[in-house]
Amino acid sequence: EPEVTQTPSHQVTQMGQEVILRCVPISNHLYFYWYRQILGQKVEFLVSFYNNEISEKSEIFDDQFSVERPDGSNFTLKIRSTKLEDSAMYFCASTQDRATTNEKLFFGSGTQLSVL
Amino acid sequence: GNSVTQMEGPVTLSEEAFLTINCTYTATGYPSLFWYVQYPGEGLQLLLKATKADDKGSNKGFEATYRKETTSFHLEKGSVQVSDSAVYFCALSASNQFYFGTGTSLTVIP
Repeated sequence: EPEVTQTPSHQVTQMGQEVILRCVPISNHLYFYWYRQILGQKVEFLVSFYNNEISEKSEIFDDQFSVERPDGSNFTLKIRSTKLEDSAMYFCASTQDRATTNEKLFFGSGTQLSVL
Repeated sequence: GNSVTQMEGPVTLSEEAFLTINCTYTATGYPSLFWYVQYPGEGLQLLLKATKADDKGSNKGFEATYRKETTSFHLEKGSVQVSDSAVYFCALSASNQFYFGTGTSLTVIP
């Protein structure tokens, strides 16, 4: 089965540094998502992306965050100045169509971000 | 709003034991309900789903029934195996978004 690939699997950074999390969605998918899970908490929606622009974003997705599809295959999440509370597992996901009753998300294996 | 609450873990069971992981939801409209599973080192994978009330989703011996009257979607398996050890996430799809629970870690010991 096709899969979503995320790199790196683990990222350690100092507070205030910029990080870029990378994802390669499934090739014929059109909708892309970032979710995160802080340890012990729910998996939270961050942002969805379609047709080279953000379609929806949550309150968490503030000005520190940005997403980009730089080359037609990669989908990146950038955190400009990391904070301790950004430490979490970040999941990328993609779908062929918008989230509907019959659609499922394909997830990557996640990037564990640790901010020190 | 839309949200999912699932039973906290971790859950530890012996092989061949019966499994129940509780999940309840709050939603506007008529959501679809899902169980996702995450095996160690892998991404979340769809385990089963149900799209309307009284539907039963099933896969790999796991089952869950969409109960509108109790707003629940409990996951069950009659006889667990060591290979079922994973984290299980209940989720709903509504308003063009997915909403997840916290996940329940299951460890099955031989």
